[in-house]
Amino acid sequence: SAVISQKPSRDICQRGTSLTIQCQVDSQVTMMFWYRQQPGQSLTLIATANQGSEATYESGFVIDKFPISRPNLTFSTLTVSNMSPEDSSIYLCSVVGAGSYEQYFGPGTRLTVT
Amino acid sequence: AQKVTQAQTEISVVEKEDVTLDCVYETRDTTYYLFWYKQPPSGELVFLIRRNSFDEQNEISGRYSWNFQKSTSSFNFTITASQVVDSAVYFCALSEAHAAGGTSYGKLTFGQGTILTVHP
Repeated sequence: SAVISQKPSRDICQRGTSLTIQCQVDSQVTMMFWYRQQPGQSLTLIATANQGSEATYESGFVIDKFPISRPNLTFSTLTVSNMSPEDSSIYLCSVVGAGSYEQYFGPGTRLTVT
Repeated sequence: AQKVTQAQTEISVVEKEDVTLDCVYETRDTTYYLFWYKQPPSGELVFLIRRNSFDEQNEISGRYSWNFQKSTSSFNFTITASQVVDSAVYFCALSEAHAAGGTSYGKLTFGQGTILTVHP
């Protein structure tokens, strides 16, 4: 399985600011995704991070609020923009390896917005 | 649209009891994958199993076993002789299995999760 790291592991941010979360994988992967887990809730897919092109967003998520980059096959960033307390969540990146449907998750970034 | 239902919100057992976590899914696809993940209090999501829709064989891994029944669209998870370390939130998830590059490839739809507490 791929080894996935995320930075930061947690942060406390002020309302109205932005935070960029990094996801690094130790091997080239086919797909990278970003999920959000609000407190006490299940996981919801935010977007698919496409290498070298714009991310594909799910219904209810927009690029202006959650810009995503994926410059290569092992790295992606998610920015949470103009944050409000409702953005307090765990943000997780996940990857699907080449030729595999097994999907592994990073350790998550626990974000608290005050 | 895909849907995953975990009807049990919380389950509480005493150590060494067997416990079964239910998962029922809906999909219009004939080819799909089913997953179980464990989320301990630390928050990380631990991959437990992936099952192909064409493979209905039950699987056992140590104290864990999975019962996949396509006829009832269920993929239940049993922990035998539960331990305190099994305490976690367990998620069932579904993914369509289109070829790489398809718009749905790899996307997971999660159930609401079941909180399992194992008491000593």
